[in-house]
Amino acid sequence: NAGVTQTPKFRILKIGQSMTLQCTQDMNHNYMYWYRQDPGMGLKLIYYSVGAGITDKGEVPNGYNVSRSTTEDFPLRLELAAPSQTSVYFCASRPGQGVSGYTFGSGTRLTVV
Amino acid sequence: AQKVTQAQTEISVVEKEDVTLDCVYETRDTTYYLFWYKQPPSGELVFLIRRNSFDEQNEISGRYSWNFQKSTSSFNFTITASQVVDSAVYFCALSDGSGAGSYQLTFGKGTKLSVIP
Repeated sequence: NAGVTQTPKFRILKIGQSMTLQCTQDMNHNYMYWYRQDPGMGLKLIYYSVGAGITDKGEVPNGYNVSRSTTEDFPLRLELAAPSQTSVYFCASRPGQGVSGYTFGSGTRLTVV
Repeated sequence: AQKVTQAQTEISVVEKEDVTLDCVYETRDTTYYLFWYKQPPSGELVFLIRRNSFDEQNEISGRYSWNFQKSTSSFNFTITASQVVDSAVYFCALSDGSGAGSYQLTFGKGTKLSVIP
């Protein structure tokens, strides 16, 4: 099925560990986004990309890194996990400019202990 | 900077009652888009509606209706004859639409709706 695929769905990390959250879309969308959702809060933008090779910071980028080597993939890297990074992470994509909707992945629930 | 305010944190209604979820936004863009998403207890985000800044027509889809008023920067959402399945967190969101921006979505904090049988 076409869409945005996020893996893993759940993960528990220890403080200081590293991991990569994977995000893949098969719709040839140019724009991709990483959001985090803390309990009782809306989604906040971590990083985004407007095309392969181009990334930029969002509202809450500290502690994260991204890369966009292909149109399809937009992985999010946590280098030194901290309890403050316990959250649900959503990846999203949309086509290029103009009127369009967003396609969201099903989310990754990350707990840092 | 863009901002979306959903002042109602939680709302409880009895089944079959009507309920309105408020959304107020701030933006300097003249072209922008407004969205509503539903997040059921399962956690996924379900798209409900998109509106562009030049279209102030109200919209109705079944039991759902939306009232967009640029004069008050509001985009309110009404559920008529609420049902238990409407219980969820509802998010209002805003994106730029100029073509030169990133089209990033700015979300409100959400309103948790509980429909009591």
